[in-house]
Amino acid sequence: EAAVTQSPRNKVAVTGGKVTLSCNQTNNHNNMYWYRQDTGHGLRLIHYSYGAGSTEKGDIPDGYKASRPSQENFSLILELATPSQTSVYFCASGDQGEAEQFFGPGTRLTVL
Amino acid sequence: GEQVEQRPPHLSVREGDSAIIICTYTDSATAYFSWYKQEAGAGLQLLMSVLSNVDRKEEQGLTVLLNKKDKRLSLNLTAAHPGDSAVYFCAVSASSGSWQLIFGSGTQLTVMP
Repeated sequence: EAAVTQSPRNKVAVTGGKVTLSCNQTNNHNNMYWYRQDTGHGLRLIHYSYGAGSTEKGDIPDGYKASRPSQENFSLILELATPSQTSVYFCASGDQGEAEQFFGPGTRLTVL
Repeated sequence: GEQVEQRPPHLSVREGDSAIIICTYTDSATAYFSWYKQEAGAGLQLLMSVLSNVDRKEEQGLTVLLNKKDKRLSLNLTAAHPGDSAVYFCAVSASSGSWQLIFGSGTQLTVMP
């Protein structure tokens, strides 16, 4: 079974609306990450977490919030979505002290 | 901070040919190097990783070369087949225990029958 799952897989939102992207991992990893993937930029880190209750800003956090209510779940929240946030979003998990990350299948978000 | 450049952005080869993708990085303290494969509509899957004390690693038709002097990392797919068609990313980190990966911009590889 897939160890990192994301929902929804596709989402269309309107400008100014609130969007929540969810991620669940069964790897029992402490660290979790949210990235966005845009053509020509590779993956860029938005927020990450060291464990339940922890959220930290990554390289491009503006316009995003994150929530880590449990070891398994990590959410990315767009309070006021904008068209510039149209992208593919990936969640990943990793073991504490390890660089290897395990990725979910991605969520394609379109903001109209 | 660390800068990673990856080339080429697109690569087409015939089945059975080799395909080479190169990344250069800027931070001489970089200690962990990895390559990921992303198939259409899917997440990233780790292919291979090496630490800075390794110059060459081979596994199942893949060769990773690390040139620390030139700060260059390469992935060589020998005898590519159509199933290798995907986007490939390099990702590096300051240490094997670090949480932060810096990704290259990706290479779209197409292997033609």
